[in-house]
Amino acid sequence: SAVISQKPSRDICQRGTSLTIQCQVDSQVTMMFWYRQQPGQSLTLIATANQGSEATYESGFVIDKFPISRPNLTFSTLTVSNLSPEDSSIYLCSVRPRTPETEAFFGQGTRLTVV
Amino acid sequence: QKEVEQNSGPLSVPEGAIASLNCTYSDRVSQSFFWYRQYSGKSPELIMSIYSNGDKEDGRFTAQLNKASQYVSLLIRDSQPSDSATYLCAVNPMDSSYKLIFGSGTRLLVRP
Repeated sequence: SAVISQKPSRDICQRGTSLTIQCQVDSQVTMMFWYRQQPGQSLTLIATANQGSEATYESGFVIDKFPISRPNLTFSTLTVSNLSPEDSSIYLCSVRPRTPETEAFFGQGTRLTVV
Repeated sequence: QKEVEQNSGPLSVPEGAIASLNCTYSDRVSQSFFWYRQYSGKSPELIMSIYSNGDKEDGRFTAQLNKASQYVSLLIRDSQPSDSATYLCAVNPMDSSYKLIFGSGTRLLVRP
């Protein structure tokens, strides 16, 4: 498995501001994944972050709204920009430490509330 | 669009009973299948992974995979109130092996 530290665990932000979420893994991984879980919903993949290249975004998610950094093989950040109440969700960092086809593990999540 | 379908529940079972959770998927060539447990306010926790047809047992949990029917299930024997949670089925589509597609989850309630 992998130990994933994600912070902050929760935040309340004003509309129009941004929040940056950090994800630290205890081992080197090729890919890191960012998910969103809206209230009462399942997980939706936002983007895949590879070290040394731009993140790959899923349909419906754009870099201007969700910029991602991946400076090394153990760390990534997700920024949620220009916040609106619709961005209120749980954001989760995930890794698949063995191979991309095997188990995924998740950070503790960041609960974002936009007011 | 690839989909993973689960009954949202809640599935209510008495303590000590067998809970049966089901999942169907649309991508016939999917290769990897996972069950996660998610307590309210917590992140998903891996319960089981299964990659080939048949049953895989781990303690009180058994995952069953039938690729011909595009069906994967999770059985929980001797259900405990602490098993009350939402169970998420996740599937790896063949054409993009690093992505996981999640079902909407089944909420399980184990009555004492």
